[in-house]
Amino acid sequence: DIQMTQSPSSLSASVGDRVTITCRASQSISNYLNWYQQKPGKAPELLIYGASSLQSGVPSRFSGSGSGTDFTLTISSLQPEDFVTYYCQQSYSTPRTFGQGTKVEIK
Amino acid sequence: EVQVVESGGGLVQPGGSLRLSCAASGFTFSSYAMTWVRQAPGKGLEWVSTIGGSGSSAYYADSVKGRFTVSRDNSKNTLYLQMNSLRAEDTAVYYCAKEAKLYSSGWIWGFDPWGQGTLVTVSS
Repeated sequence: DIQMTQSPSSLSASVGDRVTITCRASQSISNYLNWYQQKPGKAPELLIYGASSLQSGVPSRFSGSGSGTDFTLTISSLQPEDFVTYYCQQSYSTPRTFGQGTKVEIK
Repeated sequence: EVQVVESGGGLVQPGGSLRLSCAASGFTFSSYAMTWVRQAPGKGLEWVSTIGGSGSSAYYADSVKGRFTVSRDNSKNTLYLQMNSLRAEDTAVYYCAKEAKLYSSGWIWGFDPWGQGTLVTVSS
């Protein structure tokens, strides 16, 4: 199974800050990497697919990059609604493993 | 509108059984793989099972293999998860999701949309 490791597990930031979350795969997964956003008490929502493509309706302050084993999710200017949890997930093979999540908190 | 809605969760005793359902609408159900993902209270996301569009192929996490069975009725646009021999560690919100096929320098699969989830509590 492919293991996905996210870092950090949590971070504190302020509105307007630029933040970066990293995700590392235990083996190469090309660009088969997705990012999800989960708000408290709600289902996750697809944010970015294929490592760098924004899902329809997602604000342009979100971006993704990477290929192979190392990936990043960047939020260029944090907005109040962005202080939630983010997960990476590989779709290279089954089982479709997730990272452990990164909670973005208000400083 | 593409939508999936889960039902069937509840309180069950250890060793008991429960069947979850996921009703799909707004897309050609038989053309897409469907997946179950669960989230234990305060924990992260765990992939549980995926079934192909025709229902002929199914995959399971090691943690549920031999106890859970995924199936689908394409005539009813409905996905199922039969859960037997339930344990306390199966307590979670169970989400169903469509495995969408998206293009990004090649075809990529992602879970979209997700249902609102249904809570399964295993406790005596």
